[in-house]
Formats: sequence, structure tokens, C-alpha cells
Amino acid sequence: DVKVTQSSRYLVKRTGEKVFLECVQDMDHENMFWYRQDPGLGLRLIYFSYDVKMKEKGDIPEGYSVSREKKERFSLILESASTNQTSMYLCASSPATGLLNYGYTFGSGTRLTVV
Amino acid sequence: KQEVTQIPAALSVPEGENLVLNCSFTDSAIYNLQWFRQDPGKGLTSLLLIQSSQREQTSGRLNASLDKSSGRSTLYIAASQPGDSATYLCAVTPRPSGNTPLVFGKGTRLSVIA
Repeated sequence: DVKVTQSSRYLVKRTGEKVFLECVQDMDHENMFWYRQDPGLGLRLIYFSYDVKMKEKGDIPEGYSVSREKKERFSLILESASTNQTSMYLCASSPATGLLNYGYTFGSGTRLTVV
Repeated sequence: KQEVTQIPAALSVPEGENLVLNCSFTDSAIYNLQWFRQDPGKGLTSLLLIQSSQREQTSGRLNASLDKSSGRSTLYIAASQPGDSATYLCAVTPRPSGNTPLVFGKGTRLSVIA
């Protein structure tokens, strides 16, 4: 069964810490995405990547960075965690344009609490 | 800019009812539309994907339709069960580039009462 795996289900970090959220997919997908989800705001795109070492800003990139050194792994980095980054973080992957009939696959999510 | 709206935001029905969830989008230039299910505190599970050239897709008790020209999609759930209780999200992949990320609606929270 194809999968997108997020390394942690729950995470508690202190304000000011550098936080790494890891996402790995086993489907050889070109595209990977990071969203955050908050009540009343829905899913908001943070960053995405079309290929290894490529990255594009989404709607809310401030306070975040990403790394994609290998095709299967896409990391989200909170440079200096703040309480307003407490949220559910969702990673997704999809194939390249020509194979979009396969759609997106999401991971199980990481619930991050910053105290 | 593409916007996706889902109405109603919440819905409560008795077990056994057939129901329809609605999704509308502002720009008909899409590659596809995808329906997802999300259980509380969990990730998204893909239910159905409709290509822009298709009119509907079916999986078990679920049927999704797409009317691209009017910017609408519906998710029909037959003979609802308490296990169908979840949030249902609709999302479109905009053109012209297929690498443009999904645009999501805010979802409909469904409660099926036994």
C-alpha cells in the first residue's frame, strides 16, 4: 500500500526552538506539499516542491523553511517556533502533471503544540 | 484566484438517509476535482477523483458528480451510517499548470446519528 509517512503524530516544543517535521513518500512522486490546518481557516499551503532541491512558497511561508535533498523526503523547518505555529501539519504528495489522474495522497498529520 | 466553497459547513442526519454534500468553485479551468474524508485529529483520505473530462465517479455508496461549466460538484452518500461521520473536503487542481497545488474548501462536518 502506497504511503506518505510523517515522522511524529504529536509533538510539543518550546518557544524559540528549531523544529523539524519530516515527511517521506514511497510512491516516487515528483510533487510534495506542506499544509497547516486550523479550525475555521481550513488547509493553508505553506511550501511545496516540484522536484529535488526545488521549492516554492505557498500562501503562508513566513516563519517556515523547507528542504528536499532526496525525492522521497520533504522536511518542514520552523526556524524559531512560536505559539502561533501551534497547529496540525499535513504533508502530501502527487505525481507530475501527466499523471494527475492519481491525485494527492496525504500523511496522517503531525499535531504540533508550541508552549 | 480560484476559490472553493462548501455548503453546508455542518450537517446532521439520521442513519439510513441518503444525503448530498455540495462544492462550488469560481474558475472552471481545472485539471481535476478530488473529494477527501478527514476523521478528527487524522490526515486526509482520498475518496474520489474526477478528471475534468469526466462527469462522475462512483465508489461503493459514494457517487461524485462534476459540472465544470457551472463550477459545481456534489458528493452523494447513499444509506448513511454512523461510520460515515467525518469532515468531507473538496479540492480542485487549477489549470494552466498541473503542478499548481490543490485549492481546498473548508469542508462539511457530517454527523450520522444512530
